Amino acid sequence: GAVVSQHPSWVICKSGTSVKIECRSLDFQATTMFWYRQFPKQSLMLMATSNEGSKATYEQGVEKDKFLINHASLTLSTLTVTSAHPEDSSFYICSAQASSGVSDTQYFGPGTRLTVL
Amino acid sequence: QKEVEQDPGPLSVPEGAIVSLNCTYSNSAFQYFMWYRQYSRKGPELLMYTYSSGNKEDGRFTAQVDKSSKYISLFIRDSQPSDSATYLCAPQTGNKLTFGGGTRVLVKP
Repeated sequence: GAVVSQHPSWVICKSGTSVKIECRSLDFQATTMFWYRQFPKQSLMLMATSNEGSKATYEQGVEKDKFLINHASLTLSTLTVTSAHPEDSSFYICSAQASSGVSDTQYFGPGTRLTVL
Repeated sequence: QKEVEQDPGPLSVPEGAIVSLNCTYSNSAFQYFMWYRQYSRKGPELLMYTYSSGNKEDGRFTAQVDKSSKYISLFIRDSQPSDSATYLCAPQTGNKLTFGGGTRVLVKP
């Protein structure tokens, strides 16, 4: 149980285009979903937290107009990287939590590798 | 200073050895202490977590937390080549995880 999927697993796009990444909780309803970014040989950095039906909360330094997050249902959240540039190339990972309880485990997706040419 | 510090490694051990990993942290508000394993180009996988100071054992894995010194440890007994991965400590406050930089572990057959 507690499986989280991401699509696509990798994507290559041209500079200036937008890319959408999907995160789905397959066997549970996710009240809260998180989006992380991981650069090579670095750890995961939280970008934003989203609760179903409400606006996402972005971490300091993350541009909300560039990284659009939609959490329209209890099983799906999307991250859209708008006007992508080479410096946005990274490994994007989502996680899902069954409720907003502080002890609830975050289950991570397999990640999406974005390369912007 | 980072909130969570972790030696990046790599830590290379022979098969069957005990792997010892640790993190230090600075935020006293952290309540839960998670350990994740991440294989290359994959998402993190939760290994175990602890809440209070002391030890917690799960199979070959033992997690220790010392809140007084803000020190977290993970021990892997009878290490296997399949344990080769990056291990991330991730203290949690509220529902927010703060990841350490990860320690890369190589278990050689």
